[in-house]
Amino acid sequence: AQSVAQPEDQVNVAEGNPLTVKCTYSVSGNPYLFWYVQYPNRGLQFLLKYITGDNLVKGSYGFEAEFNKSQTSFHLKKPSALVSDSALYFCAVRGEYNFNKFYFGSGTKLNVKP
Amino acid sequence: EAGVTQSPTHLIKTRGQQATLRCSPISGHTSVYWYQQALGLGLQFLLWYDEGEERNRGNFPPRFSGRQFPNYSSELNVNALELEDSALYLCASSPDGLRGANVLTFGAGSRLTVL
Repeated sequence: AQSVAQPEDQVNVAEGNPLTVKCTYSVSGNPYLFWYVQYPNRGLQFLLKYITGDNLVKGSYGFEAEFNKSQTSFHLKKPSALVSDSALYFCAVRGEYNFNKFYFGSGTKLNVKP
Repeated sequence: EAGVTQSPTHLIKTRGQQATLRCSPISGHTSVYWYQQALGLGLQFLLWYDEGEERNRGNFPPRFSGRQFPNYSSELNVNALELEDSALYLCASSPDGLRGANVLTFGAGSRLTVL
């Protein structure tokens, strides 16, 4: 079965501190991994993706994510959080063989306090 | 380039009525996906259309239906509305399904409230 888990419903960080939003996955074959961000009453915006290559992927707004095959994880990171980063973050995965099925995690609410 | 556009932004209906939501994909995208995001829940996959055909549907009752037009725009119809259908309905498009490195591009959503 293919699935995505975001173990934290909410993450709280102070502005200027590093942030991590966790994601683990289960998929057949090689994973295609994605992070999306959702601001209040808005659709999802694409942040970054891992298809192949370097395990560290850089995306929009200074975000990056690290693919770890042995731990089946794809954690989202940012060295210095901004208050404007406060939003709902979704991890998503699709499998190499079942490429038309996109599985989303339940979302993690990131709160960045000034 | 215009993004994925959805209409209406907000829709208020009463129980038992029908709702119709519309989506225009990015130019050149042939696949349209519908998701439901109810309060406190993640994204639940509803329907996938490609080249005018329904290719897959999620675990939703038949009163959720839709279609894709020759210009690749799409409609989502919800019949016999129930209170729990209140949600943000998100449309996404991609070129030619999700092959390779294609990603989903989402619209801003249509907020359906059922009273």
